[in-house]
Amino acid sequence: GENVEQHPSTLSVQEGDSAVIKCTYSDSASNYFPWYKQELGKRPQLIIDIRSNVGEKKDQRIAVTLNKTAKHFSLHITETQPEDSAVYFCAAEPNNNNDMRFGAGTRLTVKP
Amino acid sequence: ETGVTQSPTHLIKTRGQQVTLRCSSQSGHNTVSWYQQALGQGPQFIFQYYREEENGRGNFPPRFSGLQFPNYSSELNVNALELDDSALYLCASSLAGIHYGYTFGSGTRLTVV
Repeated sequence: GENVEQHPSTLSVQEGDSAVIKCTYSDSASNYFPWYKQELGKRPQLIIDIRSNVGEKKDQRIAVTLNKTAKHFSLHITETQPEDSAVYFCAAEPNNNNDMRFGAGTRLTVKP
Repeated sequence: ETGVTQSPTHLIKTRGQQVTLRCSSQSGHNTVSWYQQALGQGPQFIFQYYREEENGRGNFPPRFSGLQFPNYSSELNVNALELDDSALYLCASSLAGIHYGYTFGSGTRLTVV
């Protein structure tokens, strides 16, 4: 099955700086890559996703890039704010749509 | 439109007991996936149900089983509970064949003592 690795496990940035989280996947059949944000004690919430036919996607301060050849994808958050502090998970899903695998998570702390 | 609801929110069980967790999928969704999230870890895929049948399974033993009902709601059953089963159990619903991410419930926090 798919194996997703995520790093760093913790990331601390100053408010206004950028944050980058990177993930790699193993299954070349994976073609859908969502990112989830989980605040303490809450459910994971989808924040952005990318499909394998696209190399980059942006939504306001959040962007995701995908390199299919290298099997890695990254989340970029610009102009970070304290409310961006949370655990972020990447995930990968193959085309059969029945086996989404998650990375171990990155705890992002934005210091005011 | 209703979201994904899970019950109960918290549960304490004794080692060796059995537990049933419940999940109601989001309106319009027909697929339910179950995940186990240990403290400080990412969600681990248990299995997925579609059309009332198991449609994919992660690396979990047979004592983890499930059901899906005609209204797309689902149950997760765990027999012979072990201490390591203590975790947050998340249910996520989706629409089969459509890649747009899962909608998660708030989870059931299971503690095995």
